[in-house]
Amino acid sequence: NAGVTQTPKFRILKIGQSMTLQCTQDMNHNYMYWYRQDPGMGLKLIYYSVGAGITDKGEVPNGYNVSRSTTEDFPLRLELAAPSQTSVYFCASGQETQYFGPGTRLLVL
Amino acid sequence: GENVEQHPSTLSVQEGDSAVIKCTYSDSASNYFPWYKQELGKRPQLIIDIRSNVGEKKDQRIAVTLNKTAKHFSLHITETQPEDSAVYFCAASIYNNDMRFGAGTRLTVKP
Repeated sequence: NAGVTQTPKFRILKIGQSMTLQCTQDMNHNYMYWYRQDPGMGLKLIYYSVGAGITDKGEVPNGYNVSRSTTEDFPLRLELAAPSQTSVYFCASGQETQYFGPGTRLLVL
Repeated sequence: GENVEQHPSTLSVQEGDSAVIKCTYSDSASNYFPWYKQELGKRPQLIIDIRSNVGEKKDQRIAVTLNKTAKHFSLHITETQPEDSAVYFCAASIYNNDMRFGAGTRLTVKP
């Protein structure tokens, strides 16, 4: 099992550009999550999903969108990127235990 | 929403000593309290967790205690080793939904 995979590993965006961060898990977990981690800080929940077709907002959802059309995939969409969205983004899956992906480092300039 | 505070922000101990990290939470409905270890540049990894119907849980050198009345929980690491050096995060949630993390504790174990 690959576990939780994320692409890309690193991306530079210009202000106002859009992008999709990909997340895939092969553990057949219903629960999936997106977090952001700013330097020297803890993780903040952006969105989560308890199953295909169901998503809900977390602590910091503004500026992001998600969809969950399959159990495996949970993409995170950034519209109109802003410097405040510079962060490391982690995807996770699992209910009893959350398994994290390797992260995507995003820099918005 | 839930608010989790974590102390201290940095902790330095000698190898072999014990380390204690404390967290408080605000929502009395929270019932799941995991602890994560994150090494530099790596993903967070679960090291231990506890549910609200349990007061203490142990796994080798690591233990977590929970005081529901006071709304605080603590991580105890005994016989610390240099490889324990990392950032540790506590978190709280209701049935693993909308999990809120503390700001983290950077633990340094000096050989």
